[in-house]
Amino acid sequence: SQQGEEDPQALSIQEGENATMNCSYKTSINNLQWYRQNSGRGLVHLILIRSNEREKHSGRLRVTLDTSKKSSSLLITASRAADTASYFCATASVAGGTSYGKLTFGQGTILTVHP
Amino acid sequence: KAGVTQTPRYLIKTRGQQVTLSCSPISGHRSVSWYQQTPGQGLQFLFEYFSETQRNKGNFPGRFSGRQFSNSRSEMNVSTLELGDSALYLCASSRNGIQETQYFGPGTRLLVL
Repeated sequence: SQQGEEDPQALSIQEGENATMNCSYKTSINNLQWYRQNSGRGLVHLILIRSNEREKHSGRLRVTLDTSKKSSSLLITASRAADTASYFCATASVAGGTSYGKLTFGQGTILTVHP
Repeated sequence: KAGVTQTPRYLIKTRGQQVTLSCSPISGHRSVSWYQQTPGQGLQFLFEYFSETQRNKGNFPGRFSGRQFSNSRSEMNVSTLELGDSALYLCASSRNGIQETQYFGPGTRLLVL
């Protein structure tokens, strides 16, 4: 199964509402990254949060990380129709004794924002 | 700064054929990673190249291979195509690897008939 598991799988809200997506993972990580994907296109990076950080903000986005619970959340405030997309969390795990590794993606949350 | 480019964008092949996909990273980026995205398996890591060396590899059969050139451009090759290889193939680049933000290309959509 995927390292990162997101919930909910789908979220439908009205414009102006807040959207919260959660991500859980199983193993130690170096950082956790959130991405957005529109209609099967390339992924757009949203936020990277390192394992020693607890919270980060970027515009209307707020990401939290709880390494003790191995979970993260992405909050989008004041949602817009243009926020409609799939959102993925990806955990970065470095191979032992090295500085490289791989990103492991969750299955994603499909967000629909109705005008 | 130009983004990550992938060619071709769409490809139709038949079973048994082979295919080569290309990825040009952002200038100055030495790390290129490849991912396969399917509805059933989601996004799965294929491999990562850094300065022409494969640093890490995912759990894919040997039919999937790649390489990186001295200008950091990367290619991936799939030999003896199977129906299950139909997917969106994404590449991502960064300066040094997964410790940093990954910049993704638009992907190559491969359909195997």
